[in-house]
Amino acid sequence: DAGVIQSPRHEVTEMGQEVTLRCKPISGHNSLFWYRQTMMRGLELLIYFNNNVPIDDSGMPEDRFSAKMPNASFSTLKIQPSEPRDSAVYFCASSFLSGRNNSPLHFGNGTRLTVT
Amino acid sequence: AQKITQTQPGMFVQEKEAVTLDCTYDTSDPSYGLFWYKQPSSGEMIFLIYQGSYDQQNATEGRYSLNFQKARKSANLVISASQLGDSAMYFCAMREGPGSARQLTFGSGTQLTVLP
Repeated sequence: DAGVIQSPRHEVTEMGQEVTLRCKPISGHNSLFWYRQTMMRGLELLIYFNNNVPIDDSGMPEDRFSAKMPNASFSTLKIQPSEPRDSAVYFCASSFLSGRNNSPLHFGNGTRLTVT
Repeated sequence: AQKITQTQPGMFVQEKEAVTLDCTYDTSDPSYGLFWYKQPSSGEMIFLIYQGSYDQQNATEGRYSLNFQKARKSANLVISASQLGDSAMYFCAMREGPGSARQLTFGSGTQLTVLP
């Protein structure tokens, strides 16, 4: 089991540029979550998908952020245009949908984004 | 109101001693799950232990155990026989509702330092 795979691990970009973060969930998992971690705000949920369908995107900061899940094995989080306040670690996590609430989220190693 | 509260920003413990990390939660849903994660300085999020709201017994996983006091809405993590490798950030999280088709809400974390 390769775990959740995120790319890139680090991204440094200039303000105004487009940034695309990528995630491959664990095979067989059918829920996918994007979180952002900062010192000030901790771990915040941005959006999550069940069976490739976006369920809750209320955590997406603004229209500059968008996320897609075109199939069960791939998701992207895009920021366009990027701003310095978007600097954070972005985590992707996946889990298995079940009738019980005991499925933990399995996290990728995160993408550290720096916008200058 | 905060759904997950971790009141200890930092904790110190002597190697081989036990330590308790506090977590209180707020929900009106009778069905919920509580999770603890470890985040070492390398940044990855590691799932440690789960407790369901209907579980009769406190969860245990190796050196980790959960002191679950439902009436007080607390789910404290106990680490026995601390090791230097236990030094990390620890997060308490909750999923509300039955089933696993929802996100986890995280607390602000406790930074644990194990002293030699």
